[in-house]
Amino acid sequence: GAVVSQHPSWVICKSGTSVKIECRSLDFQATTMFWYRQFPKQSLMLMATSNEGSKATYEQGVEKDKFLINHASLTLSTLTVTSAHPEDSSFYICSASGGGGQGSNQPQHFGDGTRLSIL
Amino acid sequence: GDSVTQMEGPVTLSEEAFLTINCTYTATGYPSLFWYVQYPGEGLQLLLKATKADDKGSNKGFEATYRKETTSFHLEKGSVQVSDSAVYFCALLIQGAQKLVFGQGTRLTINP
Repeated sequence: GAVVSQHPSWVICKSGTSVKIECRSLDFQATTMFWYRQFPKQSLMLMATSNEGSKATYEQGVEKDKFLINHASLTLSTLTVTSAHPEDSSFYICSASGGGGQGSNQPQHFGDGTRLSIL
Repeated sequence: GDSVTQMEGPVTLSEEAFLTINCTYTATGYPSLFWYVQYPGEGLQLLLKATKADDKGSNKGFEATYRKETTSFHLEKGSVQVSDSAVYFCALLIQGAQKLVFGQGTRLTINP
């Protein structure tokens, strides 16, 4: 159980293109979803936290207008990298947790990540 | 603030060797502790967890014990396999919070 599907797994596109990444919880309701960015051989950097039906909370230094996050349902969140440039190339990972309320310390379940390459 | 420190990698071992990856934490509250594993090109998978002091998490031959007195959660395995080669992340979650705090990750390579 607790499967998170992330799509696409790999995308290559030209500079200036906007790219949408989907994160779906397949067998549970994800009240909270998280978006991370990971640079090569480094740890995960939390970009934003999104609760279903609410605006995402972005970490300091993350551009809200650059990285648009939508969490319109309990099973789907999307990250759109707008007008992507080569410096946005990275590995993006989503995770989801759900049930039991905010204070219940439900574990996060991670997608397999999306490798984004901007030419 | 809350933080997690892992032993620096990379760690290279021979098959069937004993593994220890150290993890210590600093937290203002009462955290739950986790070990995640990341195989090449993939996301993170939860390996094991412990939610209170003296709890032992275990999975796939890996173990870690929540030591409040030493603020540690070291990962151990008695006999590693080539398939254990991956990056291992220690993480904490403060009760009532939503965000995981990750260590820097430790890259493990097991040679046959």
